[in-house]
Order: sequence, then C-alpha cells, then structure tokens
Amino acid sequence: GAGVSQSPSNKVTEKGKDVELRCDPISGHTALYWYRQSLGQGLEFLIYFQGNSAPDKSGLPSDRFSAERTGGSVSTLTIQRTQQEDSAVYLCASSFQIAGGLETQYFGPGTRLLVL
Amino acid sequence: DAKTTQPNSMESNEEEPVHLPCNHSTISGTDYIHWYRQLPSQGPEYVIHGLTSNVNNRMASLAIAEDRKSSTLILHRATLRDAAVYYCILRSFQGAQKLVFGQGTRLTINP
Repeated sequence: GAGVSQSPSNKVTEKGKDVELRCDPISGHTALYWYRQSLGQGLEFLIYFQGNSAPDKSGLPSDRFSAERTGGSVSTLTIQRTQQEDSAVYLCASSFQIAGGLETQYFGPGTRLLVL
Repeated sequence: DAKTTQPNSMESNEEEPVHLPCNHSTISGTDYIHWYRQLPSQGPEYVIHGLTSNVNNRMASLAIAEDRKSSTLILHRATLRDAAVYYCILRSFQGAQKLVFGQGTRLTINP
C-alpha cells in the first residue's frame, strides 16, 4: 500500500512568512509524529499525535510552531514568521499504535524547507 | 531515555559482512534496542529490534550482549544500497512514544 506522503517536497520562503507542511499518514495508523533534521542538530522530535490529540508537544522549539491533526488522518505543521534557523528537512512518521508502544514508525520522504 | 554511543563512521567493502556496534551501558530492564537507518535523501526506516535474545530478519541480525550493555547490528553481505546512517535507539514500553536519535554511524560501502 501507499506509504507516508508529505507535501510539498521542497519549499523556499522568505524570512517572516508563514508556511504549512502537510503529512498524509499510512491509512489506519493512529499515531503520527513530526521530526526535523537540520545540519547542526541532527534528527529531533517535534510533536506526537495519538488520534487528533497531541499528548507530547515537548519538541516544538517555539510558539511559532504549531501542528494539528484532523479526522485522525492528515496533519499540518505550521511555522509562523519563519526564521533562517527554521531551514531543515521536516519529516513525518506514522505508526499503528499497539499496547506497549514499541510499534515501528514509518517515515515519509520529508519536506525540505529553506528560509531566505 | 538511556543514551547510546556509536562510532561516527565505518567503511566496508561490497559483499562483505559489516558489524555496527552500539554501547548502551545505562540500559534499563524495560528498554528495547531498536535500529533504524537513513538512506541518502530519504526518511529513516526500521531495521530490527530486540530485548535480550539475538534477532534475525531479512535485512539484518542483531546480537545483544549478555549484560545488554552493548549490541551489534550485523549486515551479512553488504551491498552498495546499504550505505546509510545507522541509528541505535533505546525504547521503553514505559516511556515516551518518540524516537530519540543520536548521531548514528555513517556506513560507507566500497565497490
């Protein structure tokens, strides 16, 4: 079946603009995760959704970052007033939540964001 | 989450076995050892995981030390497609759902 998809694949924006990044998880996956990967910081967790609620938002770097998930499916990560340090690859992953929480996470190809 | 330590980089030749080490001296009894890898320009992908016993799947084998303070990911016959960054991650069923990635080991495969 189809894997995790993300759009756009690349996004170039100007400093100060808002951007929206979209993630379509694998059908039936109840858990969804956002990570970002930048040259200086490696791969870091941003936020985790179980259904439409976000029990762990601990990785969001500032209040400029927000995310929502609707219908237990698609998620949107919004970055307001983008800064150059927001330039990174934003990765989405999904998983089928089972008891014990050790399920495999399936990653999308990422959105490469460049803030000029 | 307990921390893991991996070499920054390793190099091997095509069609030879590769042993990727991971140290996790502070591992707790509820921690599973997971491996993910990230091929160039792609998102990470799951490789294998284990708790105490050695594990095999179609991609690799995982050898876990008896005291569980270290483990080794084994690629039995490396191909060029195995060139990637390999991440060793501890996950507890009592802990958070997120994956905590370290720096990983960048594996280069020579033809």
